[in-house]
Amino acid sequence: AQTVTQSQPEMSVQEAETVTLSCTYDTSESDYYLFWYKQPPSRQMILVIRQEAYKQQNATENRFSVNFQKAAKSFSLKISDSQLGDAAMYFCAYRSAITGGGNKLTFGTGTQLKVEL
Amino acid sequence: NAGVTQTPKFRILKIGQSMTLQCTQDMNHNYMYWYRQDPGMGLKLIYYSVGAGITDKGEVPNGYNVSRSTTEDFPLRLELAAPSQTSVYFCASSYSMAGIGYTFGSGTRLTVV
Repeated sequence: AQTVTQSQPEMSVQEAETVTLSCTYDTSESDYYLFWYKQPPSRQMILVIRQEAYKQQNATENRFSVNFQKAAKSFSLKISDSQLGDAAMYFCAYRSAITGGGNKLTFGTGTQLKVEL
Repeated sequence: NAGVTQTPKFRILKIGQSMTLQCTQDMNHNYMYWYRQDPGMGLKLIYYSVGAGITDKGEVPNGYNVSRSTTEDFPLRLELAAPSQTSVYFCASSYSMAGIGYTFGSGTRLTVV
């Protein structure tokens, strides 16, 4: 079974600065997808960014980018020019690309990001 | 386009009571999921379904039941509620393509007292 580990329960960043959230995972599969979800106080789960394991190029979405290290099984999220609206719980998640078994998402325990003025 | 709709948003149950959490999606997704979120624990999969009439257990299924009679609906039944079932429950849906990710409902906060 796959596992996802987020070792930083809380992180803080100053507004306009850059912060990196860490995520590691364990799998024996070679084809899979990785995701970062944001959960603001509203509780709604919002997809931030996704990465396909067979693509070496790191995904980027505006101020959000990832550092995907497949051999190290590491998938960190970098937030540039942090804004107050970035304050939220961030979850890293893994999804197998193998058809069957429901393609379930496995989540990490989350990192609570605080953005300070 | 409503996406994934969960009802109710909040509920307080007494120990031993039963209830059904409703989940409906209008995107014609074939896969649907129920997760529970506890502080510091992330989201744990309770049950999932890959299509109408097909359901399977996830990581934490005890105390819950599901059914999937239509593509759109995936209700979660709690029988004999216990304090350990106090949690936030999320329903989600997706196409079968793994790369797309889930669409989540807004969650149900359930307290069992």
